[in-house]
This record gives sequence, structure tokens and C-alpha cells, in this order.
Amino acid sequence: DTAVSQTPKYLVTQMGNDKSIKCEQNLGHDTMYWYKQDSKKFLKIMFSYNNKELIINETVPNRFSPKSPDKAHLNLHINSLELGDSAVYFCASSQGRGGETQYFGPGTRLLVL
Amino acid sequence: DAKTTQPTSMDCAEGRAANLPCNHSTISGNEYVYWYRQIHSQGPQYIIHGLKNNETNEMASLIITEDRKSSTLILPHATLRDTAVYYCIVRRIGNEKLTFGTGTRLTIIP
Repeated sequence: DTAVSQTPKYLVTQMGNDKSIKCEQNLGHDTMYWYKQDSKKFLKIMFSYNNKELIINETVPNRFSPKSPDKAHLNLHINSLELGDSAVYFCASSQGRGGETQYFGPGTRLLVL
Repeated sequence: DAKTTQPTSMDCAEGRAANLPCNHSTISGNEYVYWYRQIHSQGPQYIIHGLKNNETNEMASLIITEDRKSSTLILPHATLRDTAVYYCIVRRIGNEKLTFGTGTRLTIIP
């Protein structure tokens, strides 16, 4: 049983397209996150949701829009993809929002051509 | 959250203890020390965390100095599967964010 799962694992697309990445956790956690790891391997938080409410929104272009239909899912929609969006995107979850241990998914490797 | 300093890379022989140091000289009393690792092409994996006491779990031990300005992660019997980048993160209690640095690339040598 995968605790935090992401789909797709790989995503190759053209500049200007719109794409979505899905994340699901079966841990019963109520906080979920999106992180981005760029080509230099720096891992940075993008968003966090607690019980479907946005609680962290780092300086991320408006083209990125997270959506949480329920507390077990946090999807990331990206409009008008740019070359610089190529990265590995990791979803994570934790119990509570007060600095609990975060558990990460396997990542989605996005390549924009 | 306080900044951390880690060596860029380390090697360790298989079967020996791997000791990974971390400096966090500006740590505050309400900040935890967390360790995560990232094995190639995988998501970060939680290892251990502590506030001021030493901690041990099935994966590792965490030794925090009395002044809390540095810590050491110990993998007691390193295996090839422990080859990864290890991140030391200082995180304020109640802060949802994990701020990753550049970490230490640990290579276990057969």
C-alpha cells in the first residue's frame, strides 16, 4: 500500500500546454504539500493545504493552481507551461499542521519541451 | 528557521557506522532538528528528529550537543542502500514548512 502516491510518474509536454498532477494519501493526514525540485536539486515548498484550506502559498506564479477536493487529495494544475517549469514535483502529507513529520510521494518528473 | 551547515559529501565503508555532522549555531529553543534523506530518484524520506535529547529509532540515532548548536546523525551499520543525500533541517515548532538545504551526499563503499 503506497502511503502517498502521485500520477503521472513522468510527464513530457510542449510549452504552452496545460497539465495536471494528482496526489493522493491514504494515511488519514489532514495536511498536504507540494514541493518542487529543480535541476540543481534544490527542494522548495510551493503550497500547503490543511483540511482543504490553503495555508502556505510561496512565491509561485499564478499559472500554478493547487486544488484539494478532499483532505486525501491535492492536485496541482499548471497553465501555459514554460521551459523553466521542468522539474520534479513532490507531494507530501502530515498529520496536523503544526510541524508534524511529512511523508513524501515518489515524485512526478515534468519535462517541458 | 535557523540555517544549517553540512559537508557536501562523505564516504563510509559498508558495515561501518556513518556519522553525518550538522551545524546549526543559531538554533532557537523552539526549533527541532530534523533529518531526511533522498535516495536517487525517490522522494525525501523521514529519518529522525529531536529537540534537545538524543533520539534513536530503527533507522538511526541523533546526537544533539548540550548547547544544541550541532548534531550528528548516526547510521550504525551502513549498507549500500544508505547511499543518498542527507538533509539536516532546523524547524520551528508549529511551522509547516520544511526548508531543505543542499545536504550531504553520503556514498557507502563496498
